Amino acid sequence: DAGITQSPRHKVTETGTPVTLRCHQTENHRYMYWYRQDPGHGLRLIHYSYGVKDTDKGEVSDGYSVSRSKTEDFLLTLESATSSQTSVYFCAISEGTVNTEAFFGQGTRLTVV
Amino acid sequence: GNSVTQMEGPVTLSEEAFLTINCTYTATGYPSLFWYVQYPGEGLQLLLKATKADDKGSNKGFEATYRKETTSFHLEKGSVQVSDSAVYFCALQDMFSGGYNKLIFGAGTRLAVHP
Repeated sequence: DAGITQSPRHKVTETGTPVTLRCHQTENHRYMYWYRQDPGHGLRLIHYSYGVKDTDKGEVSDGYSVSRSKTEDFLLTLESATSSQTSVYFCAISEGTVNTEAFFGQGTRLTVV
Repeated sequence: GNSVTQMEGPVTLSEEAFLTINCTYTATGYPSLFWYVQYPGEGLQLLLKATKADDKGSNKGFEATYRKETTSFHLEKGSVQVSDSAVYFCALQDMFSGGYNKLIFGAGTRLAVHP
């Protein structure tokens, strides 16, 4: 199994509070991604990174920010959590070259109450 | 923009039945196509892939053929098992502006196989 660890695995937080999810990899892959999974929507890309300090927005980036200060860590921050951000969040990594597969973490279930 | 459309589930089958899960895509270029599987409580894992037209990806008895003329990548298996119960995602690999890659996923199809 690819070395990807997401933390925490489960979190309940209150509306308006900041939340940070962490993705840690031991594969030295260049690309890292954050997706959210919601019923009927599949996986939607929030943000991605193509190198240290190189990040960009995905299709559903509003309300989220990311940081990548080291190759192995990619942090997703909800500055002020809302109920619409209740979801399962997946981190993925890939070498990034054409036709290479992505490897996924086990997910973080976030509930905003 | 590029997109992936999958048949809605859930799909419920008896063990040893034939499985088809439809997937069609919209893309401006020539994307790579993937099927990922998600077992309960786990992340996604690659099931199979195809990188160009007429390629057939296969793994664990599952197959899918990249059909450019119909923009399709349907997943098939001749005889399903209870252990195949999972959610299946069709995906295409797209290029960001600037040449970076991302995966675009369909909504997923839940498969339930009963004895």
